[in-house]
Amino acid sequence: DAKTTQPNSMESNEEEPVHLPCNHSTISGTDYIHWYRQLPSQGPEYVIHGLTSNVNNRMASLAIAEDRKSSTLILHRATLRDAAVYYCILNTGANNLFFGTGTRLTVIP
Amino acid sequence: EADIYQTPRYLVIGTGKKITLECSQTMGHDKMYWYQQDPGMELHLIHYSYGVNSTEKGDLSSESTVSRIRTEHFPLTLESARPSHTSQYLCASSALDWAGSGNTIYFGEGSWLTVV
Repeated sequence: DAKTTQPNSMESNEEEPVHLPCNHSTISGTDYIHWYRQLPSQGPEYVIHGLTSNVNNRMASLAIAEDRKSSTLILHRATLRDAAVYYCILNTGANNLFFGTGTRLTVIP
Repeated sequence: EADIYQTPRYLVIGTGKKITLECSQTMGHDKMYWYQQDPGMELHLIHYSYGVNSTEKGDLSSESTVSRIRTEHFPLTLESARPSHTSQYLCASSALDWAGSGNTIYFGEGSWLTVV
């Protein structure tokens, strides 16, 4: 299984940047790194993904280590609406994507 | 914004009843999935489909069944519900991409099932 390791929980103050780490030491060359988040009582929603280079979109930035064994999701200014469980997964194109338990982000007003 | 819809969102039923959870997507995706998730726990894949007339079991054993008669529709059925089936069921879809793994997976909002 292409699994990832994330901290169980993190806290951030509102309007401050948040760096959510993810380790994926077993990643192979064609695996994409995807991030999803799940708000309470909802299904997961796509945040960002990348293969080798750092990526930016309107929601977040993704920094990928040079050896690709780790990555960091960056929320530039956390808001209360960013409180969610964040999942880092390796998309191998296989049928089962291992979501794990993710990182529960608490945003403090 | 994802165009994938699940109904019902919340359902309470008695033991032994038959139920069908509906899932439809309007994105023309070939791949569809059903995940099961208990509160605060991991998502577990219980069924998936590559396209019409294709259905496969996922990693987590489930007493539910699925069908894929139309591309956009992937219903999940429990012939005889039990309290152990109480959970959240999440439907998802993605484009079929044999070569790569950059395709986004779109999830519905989930169906919360309580069997009493």
